[in-house]
Amino acid sequence: AQSVSQHNHHVILSEAASLELGCNYSYGGTVNLFWYVQYPGQHLQLLLKYFSGDPLVKGIKGFEAEFIKSKFSFNLRKPSVQWSDTAEYFCAVNAQGDSNYQLIWGAGTKLIIKP
Amino acid sequence: SQTIHQWPATLVQPVGSPLSLECTVEGTSNPNLYWYRQAAGRGLQLLFYSVGIGQISSEVPQNLSASRPQDRQFILSSKKLLLSDSGFYLCAWSAGLAGANEQFFGPGTRLTVL
Repeated sequence: AQSVSQHNHHVILSEAASLELGCNYSYGGTVNLFWYVQYPGQHLQLLLKYFSGDPLVKGIKGFEAEFIKSKFSFNLRKPSVQWSDTAEYFCAVNAQGDSNYQLIWGAGTKLIIKP
Repeated sequence: SQTIHQWPATLVQPVGSPLSLECTVEGTSNPNLYWYRQAAGRGLQLLFYSVGIGQISSEVPQNLSASRPQDRQFILSSKKLLLSDSGFYLCAWSAGLAGANEQFFGPGTRLTVL
């Protein structure tokens, strides 16, 4: 069965630190990849997505993610975090050719930024 | 702009009681609609999706059912709740297939079954 792993369930950083959240998936075919974020008290919302083309994808609020096919990874990065980045981050994967209504979700990473 | 509503926000129900959670979308037509359940420390699990009125697909066999009586209304129901039905339920919509389109999520309903 397909799965998505987010290795860090909780991450605590200080402001201005660099961030990298890991996401690995288990599917050998073509994939669509997503990062969603849920800020405290807000709805889950799309941060960025990758379908094809440049494997380095830029999203909102200075976030980016790199798709490395050989490593089955889609890690989320931000060079300098802010207190307002405190949120829970979810990686999700769709296997093209599979049920296209189905996203496989990671368990999420709770990020806390200390001011 | 589009908005998505869910109610109630929280619900405490006894085992064996019925359930009805409602989700409505505004500002769009013919959306694809989804019900998810999120357990603590786990990702979202797709329960049901609908591509149109009266069209419901179930991803996971369970004690729950879904209905779509109107284009922008999606209801999650149960005839008899189980303890294991406790969780956080999210409704979402997308303009196209979830695997290839952004999904927009509602605020969720926290269900506790006692």
